Amino acid sequence: QKEVEQNSGPLSVPEGAIASLNCTYSDRGSQSFFWYRQYSGKSPELIMFIYSNGDKEDGRFTAQLNKASQYVSLLIRDSQPSDSATYLCAVKGGGSTLGRLYFGRGTQLTVWP
Amino acid sequence: ETGVTQTPRHLVMGMTNKKSLKCEQHLGHNAMYWYKQSAKKPLELMFVYNFKEQTENNSVPSRFSPECPNSSHLFLHLHTLQPEDSALYLCASSQDLGGRKQLSNYGYTFGSGTRLTVV
Repeated sequence: QKEVEQNSGPLSVPEGAIASLNCTYSDRGSQSFFWYRQYSGKSPELIMFIYSNGDKEDGRFTAQLNKASQYVSLLIRDSQPSDSATYLCAVKGGGSTLGRLYFGRGTQLTVWP
Repeated sequence: ETGVTQTPRHLVMGMTNKKSLKCEQHLGHNAMYWYKQSAKKPLELMFVYNFKEQTENNSVPSRFSPECPNSSHLFLHLHTLQPEDSALYLCASSQDLGGRKQLSNYGYTFGSGTRLTVV
C-alpha cells in the first residue's frame, strides 16, 4: 500500500488568513498529485492537481510540489468560512500501481469569521 | 443526469440481508472504482474495473461482490455484512488510457456516496 501522510488537524484559521495544508508520500514513482475538498456528509470534489515541480495557482488556491522531498502542499489565501471542510491529498501511483489514486486521511480545516 | 450517480443515498440493513449499491457514470469514462470511507481512516480502494474487467481486488471480504455489466454501470452486492462494514461507500470513475499513457491531470470523479449502516 502506498503511504500518503497528512496532518489530520484540525487546522483552524481566521477569515482572511492563509491556510497551509501539507502532504508527504512514499512512492518516488508517483506521477501526479491531487487535492480534493470534502464537506461533511458529501463526496470528495477535485479542486487542484499538479504534476510538475513548483507552484500552480488557481484563484485563491496554490498547490506546491517538491518531488525530491516527496512533499506536496495546498495554500488557501484569503480563507473564507465556506472553505471549512476536510482536504484530501491524493497521489497517483507509478510502477505496478500506475494510475491508481491513493489518499491521505485528510486535514480538517475550520475558518472562523 | 450528469457526473456520477449513486443509489441509494442511505441504506440500513441487517446482518442477514442482501442488498445492492448502484453506480452510474455519464462521463464516458472507461474505469470505475469502489472506495470505502470510514471515520478517521483514509479512503480505502476496494475494487477497480477497466473496460468492464476487474483489474484489482484489494483483499476485500467475499461478502462484498462487485459487478460491472458495462463501462457505465457498477454494482456492489452486499450479503451477511458485519457492523464494522458500516461506512460511506463511494463510487468513482476516470478515463484510463492504460499502459504508460496515464494522463497526469486526470483525477477521479466521485459519486455522492451511499451511507451504509449495518445493524
